Order: sequence, then C-alpha cells, then structure tokens
Amino acid sequence: DVKVTQSSRYLVKRTGEKVFLECVQDMDHENMFWYRQDPGLGLRLIYFSYDVKMKEKGDIPEGYSVSREKKERFSLILESASTNQTSMYLCASSFRDRAMGEQYFGPGTRLTVT
Amino acid sequence: GNSVTQMEGPVTLSEEAFLTINCTYTATGYPSLFWYVQYPGEGLQLLLKATKADDKGSNKGFEATYRKETTSFHLEKGSVQVSDSAVYFCALKSGGYQKVTFGTGTKLQVIP
Repeated sequence: DVKVTQSSRYLVKRTGEKVFLECVQDMDHENMFWYRQDPGLGLRLIYFSYDVKMKEKGDIPEGYSVSREKKERFSLILESASTNQTSMYLCASSFRDRAMGEQYFGPGTRLTVT
Repeated sequence: GNSVTQMEGPVTLSEEAFLTINCTYTATGYPSLFWYVQYPGEGLQLLLKATKADDKGSNKGFEATYRKETTSFHLEKGSVQVSDSAVYFCALKSGGYQKVTFGTGTKLQVIP
C-alpha cells in the first residue's frame, strides 16, 4: 500500500512564526503536491514538485515556499504565518508519465494561526 | 484551461436510497477522470477512475461513466449506507500535464 505521511495532524502557531509542514511518501513517486482545503473552495494547489530540487508554483503560491531535497520528502514552509493561512493542508504524491496519474494523499494537517 | 463543476451539497439521503452526484468538466484533449472520497478526519482516497470515452469506473458499489458527448462523469450508487457519508470530489488529469484539477466537493450525509 502506498503510504503518505504528514508530520502533524494538528498544529497551532502564532502570527509571524515560521511554520514547516513535512510530507513523506514511500512509493518512489516522482511527483509531490501541496494543497490547501477550505470550505466551499475545494482543493487549491499551492506548489508541486516533479523531481528532487524541482518545483513549480500552483494556483496560490503567495506566502508559501517549498523544499524537496530528497525524493521521498516534500516540505511546505510558511515564512511568516498569517491568520488567513489557517486551513487544512494536504500533501499528495503520484508517478510521473503515467496516463492515469492518480494521486495518493496524506491524512492532512489542520493548521490554526492565532 | 481545465475545470470541473460538481453539484453543491450537502446531499442528505436515507439509507438504501439511490445516489447521483453530478460532475461536468471542461478540458483540452482527452482527460482521465476520477472520483475521490474523503471520510471525516482523513485525506482523500481514490474511489474510481476512467481513462477514455464510454469507460465505466466502479468500486464499492459506486459507478461513473465517462461521457464525452456531454462532458460528464456522474457518480451513482444504487443503495447508500451510513458508512458512505463523506465528501466526494470529481477530478480530471489532462494528458501529460502533471497536475490534477479538482471540483469543490459534494458532502453526502446518509441517515439511518
């Protein structure tokens, strides 16, 4: 079974703090993704990575950065957390160059910024 | 660009009722289509998929048929159970493009 794990299920941070969210997958997937999920807005792509040290902006990259130093690990960084970044963050991974391209998701991190 | 439109929820049904959740899409080329399900407190998991026109994806009693002529991929189940209560997301992936486009999700609540 594919397993995608995220470092925390719940996180509470203060405005202005630097926040790290970590994601690890064990299926040797090339692609990794970070989404945020908000009521009524569905899933919005923040960043994705198709290889080590490679990254591309998604639909809402402002206020976020990412790091992928190893194939299995993809980190999302909030440089200076703000209250409007309170959300559920979902990590996903998938194979590259597969017609199906289904994604496998972690359980999510619910981040609250106060 | 690509987009997915699905019916707004919440949808509330009694146990053993018939379920339909509508999904239509706009995409370039010939996309692959997916339904994902998110149970309370969990991440999304793939429910079913279809790669070409007239393909039918099925899993756990759920079905969806890829209709190219109506650009639709409606989710159906003949008899829902309380355990089917979840949020359902329709999604598409277009060709070699690596990103997946998701709909906004439809919450299903099944009452005994």
